[in-house]
Amino acid sequence: DGGITQSPKYLFRKEGQNVTLSCEQNLNHDAMYWYRQDPGQGLRLIYYSQIVNDFQKGDIAEGYSVSREKKESFPLTVTSAQKNPTAFYLCASSPQIGSYGYTFGSGTRLTVV
Amino acid sequence: GDSVTQMEGPVTLSEEAFLTINCTYTATGYPSLFWYVQYPGEGLQLLLKATKADDKGSNKGFEATYRKETTSFHLEKGSVQVSDSAVYFCALTLNYGGSQGNLIFGKGTKLSVKP
Repeated sequence: DGGITQSPKYLFRKEGQNVTLSCEQNLNHDAMYWYRQDPGQGLRLIYYSQIVNDFQKGDIAEGYSVSREKKESFPLTVTSAQKNPTAFYLCASSPQIGSYGYTFGSGTRLTVV
Repeated sequence: GDSVTQMEGPVTLSEEAFLTINCTYTATGYPSLFWYVQYPGEGLQLLLKATKADDKGSNKGFEATYRKETTSFHLEKGSVQVSDSAVYFCALTLNYGGSQGNLIFGKGTKLSVKP
């Protein structure tokens, strides 16, 4: 079955360490997205990518970095510069940027201690 | 800027009660409107959508009508079930001459249905 796989589901890291969250899709979608979800805040866009080797900052990109070396993969690195990294992170993809068929992964809950 | 405003939760209902979750939007262009649902510990799933004024989206007993005059897209269901307990997100994407912008989400409304 086609879909998006995020791993791991739960991740714990010490403060000051960088951590990379994985996102892989086999839907042949061009566009991919990273969102951060906090209680009462809804979803906020971190980064998005329309095609391979291209990505754009979203609303809250500070302290995060991404790469898009393959169509199927869009990993997110949470750096030590991110002030409040503990959150639920969701990856999504769509056939093209903003098109109706968004598919979401099941998320990674990152806890920094 | 473009935005979505949802009624604050949590909303607690008894099984078979009528559900309304209000959603209004502000947009500079002509948006498409969506409702997504998130079950505990999972990602989001598209529940329904409407792409132009007066369209009604429907799925699994849920409905929402795109009202341009009131800039609203309220979610309704006539008889909720315990399995409908989830967080519901209203969202929009702007239409730029045939292409689409990114999804803009509301803050979500948590629904709890009691047996």
